[in-house]
Amino acid sequence: QSVLTQPPSVSAAPGQKVTISCSGSSSNIGNNYVSWYQQLPGTAPQLIIFDDDKRPSGIPDRFSGSKSGTSATLGITGLQTGDEAKYYCGTWDTRLGGLNWVFGGGTSLTVL
Amino acid sequence: QVTLRESGPALVKATETLTLTCTFSGFSLTTSGMCVSWIRQPPGKALEWLARIDWDDDKYYSLSLKTRLNISKDTSKNQVVLMMTDMDPADTAMYYCVRFSVSPTKAFDHWGQGTLITVSS
Repeated sequence: QSVLTQPPSVSAAPGQKVTISCSGSSSNIGNNYVSWYQQLPGTAPQLIIFDDDKRPSGIPDRFSGSKSGTSATLGITGLQTGDEAKYYCGTWDTRLGGLNWVFGGGTSLTVL
Repeated sequence: QVTLRESGPALVKATETLTLTCTFSGFSLTTSGMCVSWIRQPPGKALEWLARIDWDDDKYYSLSLKTRLNISKDTSKNQVVLMMTDMDPADTAMYYCVRFSVSPTKAFDHWGQGTLITVSS
């Protein structure tokens, strides 16, 4: 059971837009920056969003991030078949006075 | 160019201690703000953060695994070592070495390709 809650799967047609939610609490998302990772089949994850809404160089602006309260959202527009992957959100959790990084359970994106 | 490469035994037996080495290039763990973490992923399951070591030798561990983990660094060799004691078949996973930079990203911005560790009973 992950500390951050993501939907197991989402799907949309090529060219369409999809959003992936990540729900947490005040001990994690509510008070810490969220990052998002894309894991293509058989490969290591890749950072696609950091500091809630910033994109590393090389990540297309079709990918966007936002946060409100204790929830974060990843948006992908102009879907391509190459976007089919598993997406993870993550952030620090500061319960129990420590620093503990937590990931969501991951969301599989299918581009129909 | 930042690269990280994990190395370790592909197979360990239950109750043994796993030692993983991360050899990296393109940055230094003596540079303020640089950190290295270990993250694992059991087959078909989600990512799980294990530990982090910082440029100033601060160390952080997963709350659920901290009694079994030890992370250390050798800055002269650009290496980070993770030891995990009392291995169990449930620890079978891909283990990733990952750079975490406090600035600018505050995220895991470079990942190794991972090394698959299988624990036999």
